[in-house]
Amino acid sequence: EAGVAQSPRYKIIEKRQSVAFWCNPISGHATLYWYQQILGQGPKLLIQFQNNGVVDDSQLPKDRFSAERLKGVDSTLKIQPAKLEDSAVYLCASSLNGLGNSPLHFGNGTRLTVT
Amino acid sequence: QKEVEQNSGPLSVPEGAIASLNCTYSDRGSQSFFWYRQYSGKSPELIMFIYSNGDKEDGRFTAQLNKASQYVSLLIRDSQPSDSATYLCAVNYGANSKLTFGKGITLSVRP
Repeated sequence: EAGVAQSPRYKIIEKRQSVAFWCNPISGHATLYWYQQILGQGPKLLIQFQNNGVVDDSQLPKDRFSAERLKGVDSTLKIQPAKLEDSAVYLCASSLNGLGNSPLHFGNGTRLTVT
Repeated sequence: QKEVEQNSGPLSVPEGAIASLNCTYSDRGSQSFFWYRQYSGKSPELIMFIYSNGDKEDGRFTAQLNKASQYVSLLIRDSQPSDSATYLCAVNYGANSKLTFGKGITLSVRP
């Protein structure tokens, strides 16, 4: 079974620039998540999709972050404009059905450095 | 604010010892509990999950859950240097699968 695919693996940008990350979940997984992991901390949920609908985006800084999951499969996360504090690893995860007993499977992440 | 606390660490144990990793959570409505292992520079990978009070064993790993005390732990028997990693405790609340993570405990197993 292919895992969660993410790209790019690394990205370096200057503050105020924009950046986009892409995620392809495990085939058949209805639920997709974007997490932000700052060095030394646990992952923090940014947004959760169920198919192509948003379930939870309460911790997404909507003035600069946006995400979409058109057609209920791939997803993109965008930051515009980036700030220094956005430097982190952005992890995409998927689960089978979004229920509490459905484990999350993570991709390899995108490491973003904002200078 | 639902919180997951992993305050002990970093933890260092000799090879072959038992490593005990602890986690507490704030919301009594929590239903499912997960342990993820994260090697440096890598993404979290699922080790174990537990839903019911008591112990759940999988090879060298045992998860222990005490809902009354709002406490979940992970025991690693016969620790190996390859177990050296950060261990993340994660909890979900209600029927939704989204997870709230603790900050992690870094384990070092000395050869």
